[in-house]
Amino acid sequence: AQTIHQWPVAEIKAVGSPLSLGCTIKGKSSPNLYWYWQATGGTLQQLFYSITVGQVESVVQLNLSASRPKDDQFILSTEKLLLSHSGFYLCAWSPDWGSQNTLYFGAGTRLSVL
Amino acid sequence: GDSVTQKEGLVTLTEGLPVMLNCTYQTIYSNAFLFWYVHYLNESPRLLLKSSTDNKRTEHQGFHATLHKSSSSFHLQKSSAQLSDSALYYCALGASSSFSKLVFGQGTSLSVVP
Repeated sequence: AQTIHQWPVAEIKAVGSPLSLGCTIKGKSSPNLYWYWQATGGTLQQLFYSITVGQVESVVQLNLSASRPKDDQFILSTEKLLLSHSGFYLCAWSPDWGSQNTLYFGAGTRLSVL
Repeated sequence: GDSVTQKEGLVTLTEGLPVMLNCTYQTIYSNAFLFWYVHYLNESPRLLLKSSTDNKRTEHQGFHATLHKSSSSFHLQKSSAQLSDSALYYCALGASSSFSKLVFGQGTSLSVVP
């Protein structure tokens, strides 16, 4: 069975500090990977996707970056946090490409930027 | 652009009463897919239902929904609410199989009380 582990569960960070969030997917080779984000009171929106190792596409510009250093790992980061980065971050994977496919989510990271 | 509207932010129901959570959408794509994802507290969001063909009902775990393209709707229903149904419910639109992105509604928090 496939599992997805997302870390950390929660972060409280200062404006201007760096951030690194991660997730690991086990039991599935070459998954499609995604980062979604929900601002407080907002809706979940896709930030990045990756089809293969080393390739990441940005969907929304939020002064964040993402990388896929391994087939099973997806990292979201920034060198300088903004207040607007606060919210709930979800890592997800799908077995195939296309919006008709089910997304499998991690448990999420709640980020508070102060 | 594509969008999903969930009118109710919070729904509070007495156990045993029927559940209906509204979802309407807008897209230019004719073969869109609609999903309901459920997010229980301290768990990962997971797929509850996925749309089938137009006017066909899909069911899972006591919940059901019917895609109505004529009214651009995919309302979630259940005949009798249970305490364990308390969760956050997201309606999501997968507009095209050419890309892999879901557009989410803002979510409806369902609270079932005794």
